[in-house]
Amino acid sequence: QKEVEQNSGPLSVPEGAIASLNCTYSDRGSQSFFWYRQYSGKSPELIMFIYSNGDKEDGRFTAQLNKASQYVSLLIRDSQPSDSATYLCAVELTGGGNKLTFGTGTQLKVEL
Amino acid sequence: GAVVSQHPSWVICKSGTSVKIECRSLDFQATTMFWYRQFPKQSLMLMATSNEGSKATYEQGVEKDKFLINHASLTLSTLTVTSAHPEDSSFYICSAASDGQFFGPGTRLTVL
Repeated sequence: QKEVEQNSGPLSVPEGAIASLNCTYSDRGSQSFFWYRQYSGKSPELIMFIYSNGDKEDGRFTAQLNKASQYVSLLIRDSQPSDSATYLCAVELTGGGNKLTFGTGTQLKVEL
Repeated sequence: GAVVSQHPSWVICKSGTSVKIECRSLDFQATTMFWYRQFPKQSLMLMATSNEGSKATYEQGVEKDKFLINHASLTLSTLTVTSAHPEDSSFYICSAASDGQFFGPGTRLTVL
């Protein structure tokens, strides 16, 4: 079993819709969770991080964490074509010393 | 804040030569930096963890004598690809840790 799993996609949503990206992780002791966006040919860009169970909102982005289910998600409201990218879920394991384990990413396509 | 730079952004070299890539945290100090490699349409692969003032920790399968890492200060880590070969052609990305990881823009290496 992979430590961090994401559906590779592509996930296609129409412009203006809500995009929902999901991620599961295997280490129950994981403490910190991150979402990165990576455009083709570019390096990853940190969008959000979440440490506690529940929702965390930042603009059009909402991260959701459920440690009991070992599940973290990213919602993008009012999706725009510029949101089309690969979204990487990353988890910091307990005592990981800032080392992150990345999922393989979900490709999001926002269609006009 | 949390800006990371990399230099050069791209490099083309002949087989057998060595290439040095610099990674700098511009507005914060990073005791830990990470080096990743990403092949086209593949996910990020962690190569090594670079710790200021100590030896780097390499991931399994990464040759430490081929990929030399030096973390000379709290704002600078370097990766030297020694005796580069065409199969080393890839996108090399560094990150610096500060409440998550912040990535540099990447260096695209092409070995002829």
